[in-house]
Amino acid sequence: DAKTTQPNSMESNEEEPVHLPCNHSTISGTDYIHWYRQLPSQGPEYVIHGLTSNVNNRMASLAIAEDRKSSTLILHRATLRDAAVYYCILRDRGNQFYFGTGTSLTVIP
Amino acid sequence: NAGVTQTPKFRILKIGQSMTLQCTQDMNHNYMYWYRQDPGMGLKLIYYSVGAGITDKGEVPNGYNVSRSTTEDFPLRLELAAPSQTSVYFCASTQDRGAGNTIYFGEGSWLTVV
Repeated sequence: DAKTTQPNSMESNEEEPVHLPCNHSTISGTDYIHWYRQLPSQGPEYVIHGLTSNVNNRMASLAIAEDRKSSTLILHRATLRDAAVYYCILRDRGNQFYFGTGTSLTVIP
Repeated sequence: NAGVTQTPKFRILKIGQSMTLQCTQDMNHNYMYWYRQDPGMGLKLIYYSVGAGITDKGEVPNGYNVSRSTTEDFPLRLELAAPSQTSVYFCASTQDRGAGNTIYFGEGSWLTVV
């Protein structure tokens, strides 16, 4: 399975945008890029996913590099409730979901 | 919306005891998973199932067993509990092998082995 690399931790001020990076230089052409987040004492929850094009939903935006070797999760206005561990995951058809250690996001009031 | 339901939420076991963590999903998903998460770490895949009657090992299967007799249920059995199995356990499910499918998690089961 292709691997992802994320910073261990990031900080953001409340109400400001947050850009969470993920490197996946060995991504295959059929790997989807998934983002999940895990709030304290909860199971991970879906944030967004994409294949080639940038994606937007009510929670976030996903910007995918043209060569697909990196992606960025964008939270447009961080709130205290966005403090969580964010996981970037690659999944190919038929493969399983493998979680790394993710990026721990701290939101400063 | 029930989604993925795990029981029990909390449990304390003595070394050598056995127990079963229950997991049920009501989304008619074919794929189900068990993960464990140690403090400050990411999730590690224990076992997974792609359908009733089919199970396979993940990254850390030692000390655990699973079965999948129905689409809805995927219990995880701990035999001869050890302190190293103290962890938070998450059950999850997804529709099928499609790479764009979303995975849904239960709320977790906190297990302590003393």
